[in-house]
Amino acid sequence: AQSVAQPEDQVNVAEGNPLTVKCTYSVSGNPYLFWYVQYPNRGLQFLLKYITGDNLVKGSYGFEAEFNKSQTSFHLKKPSALVSDSALYFCAVRDYTGGFKTIFGAGTRLFVKA
Amino acid sequence: EAGVVQSPRYKIIEKKQPVAFWCNPISGHNTLYWYLQNLGQGPELLIRYENEEAVDDSQLPKDRFSAERLKGVDSTLKIQPAELGDSAVYLCASSSGGSGNEQFFGPGTRLTVL
Repeated sequence: AQSVAQPEDQVNVAEGNPLTVKCTYSVSGNPYLFWYVQYPNRGLQFLLKYITGDNLVKGSYGFEAEFNKSQTSFHLKKPSALVSDSALYFCAVRDYTGGFKTIFGAGTRLFVKA
Repeated sequence: EAGVVQSPRYKIIEKKQPVAFWCNPISGHNTLYWYLQNLGQGPELLIRYENEEAVDDSQLPKDRFSAERLKGVDSTLKIQPAELGDSAVYLCASSSGGSGNEQFFGPGTRLTVL
């Protein structure tokens, strides 16, 4: 069965410092991996995805993520955090063995301090 | 481009009452999803439509929940009767064809059952 783990409930980082939000997954087939961000009282917003190809994918707002097949991870990164990056981040996985159902992690709250 | 529209944004009802949520997806998106999001958790799929057909409703509590997507455009999710445990945010999302495509989410309907 598919599963996604976000091991940190909250990540705290100072503005200007690099940030990492961790995600690990478990699927039977080749995964499709996604990151979404949720601001208060709003729906989820797509950031980036990995389908195939280059393991490093770049997305919106300067975010990037690295697919690591051996570690079954897809960590979200940004070289320099902004206060406006403070939000709730969700990792999601999808694969054909699950009927392409998208499974979301529980979310990680990112807090960037000025 | 208009995003996914949901109404109402907030709904407060007493237990055992019926409630309905409406969603209008992005124009041209043939796939529509309804998710339930509890506080502090990621979205959980209730039902997925491909055009008019419900292709995955395995997580929909069919004794009290129902959904329809007439004409393959907008959709309605209904709960009858509502229970206290149904209090949550109900998210609608849509995507265009292709299993690797990202989903676009509406702002959600926050349901409170008293």
